[in-house]
Amino acid sequence: DAKTTQPNSMESNEEEPVHLPCNHSTISGTDYIHWYRQLPSQGPEYVIHGLTSNVNNRMASLAIAEDRKSSTLILHRATLRDAAVYYCILRDETSGTYKYIFGTGTRLKVLA
Amino acid sequence: DVKVTQSSRYLVKRTGEKVFLECVQDMDHENMFWYRQDPGLGLRLIYFSYDVKMKEKGDIPEGYSVSREKKERFSLILESASTNQTSMYLCASFEGGSTEAFFGQGTRLTVV
Repeated sequence: DAKTTQPNSMESNEEEPVHLPCNHSTISGTDYIHWYRQLPSQGPEYVIHGLTSNVNNRMASLAIAEDRKSSTLILHRATLRDAAVYYCILRDETSGTYKYIFGTGTRLKVLA
Repeated sequence: DVKVTQSSRYLVKRTGEKVFLECVQDMDHENMFWYRQDPGLGLRLIYFSYDVKMKEKGDIPEGYSVSREKKERFSLILESASTNQTSMYLCASFEGGSTEAFFGQGTRLTVV
């Protein structure tokens, strides 16, 4: 299973953009890049996913490097409610059985 | 509203007891997962199931078994609980080919 590497923690000021990096140098051509976040005392929740092109949704944007060996989750204006652990995950879409392999994630602290 | 429900938020069991953690989803999803989450280790996959009566080992299956007799229910069994199985346990489900996995709120198990 391909592995992801993320910084353990990051800080951001409220109302400022946040760029959360993820390295996945062993990614295969069929792996989708997924991001989940886990708020305190809750299970993880889906944020965004992509394959090759950059993606936007109401929660965030995902920028994927041209060689796909890294990606960045972008929160355009951090709020206090965005304080969470963010996980970058690779999911193989062709195996027929799907496994989400989580790493340790990045703990985002948002400062008021 | 989609839902993954874990039977207990908090559970305290004695060493050597047989423990059942229940997870039910109401979305008719094929795939279900059990993870444990420990500080500094992130989420680690214990077992997953991609159909009724089908199961596959994840990364840390030792000391655990699972049961999936009905599509909506996926049970994690600790045959003989030990103190090193004290952890947060998270259940998830998703439909094959879809993008989003749904997690339960978690069960914090303490083995004394």
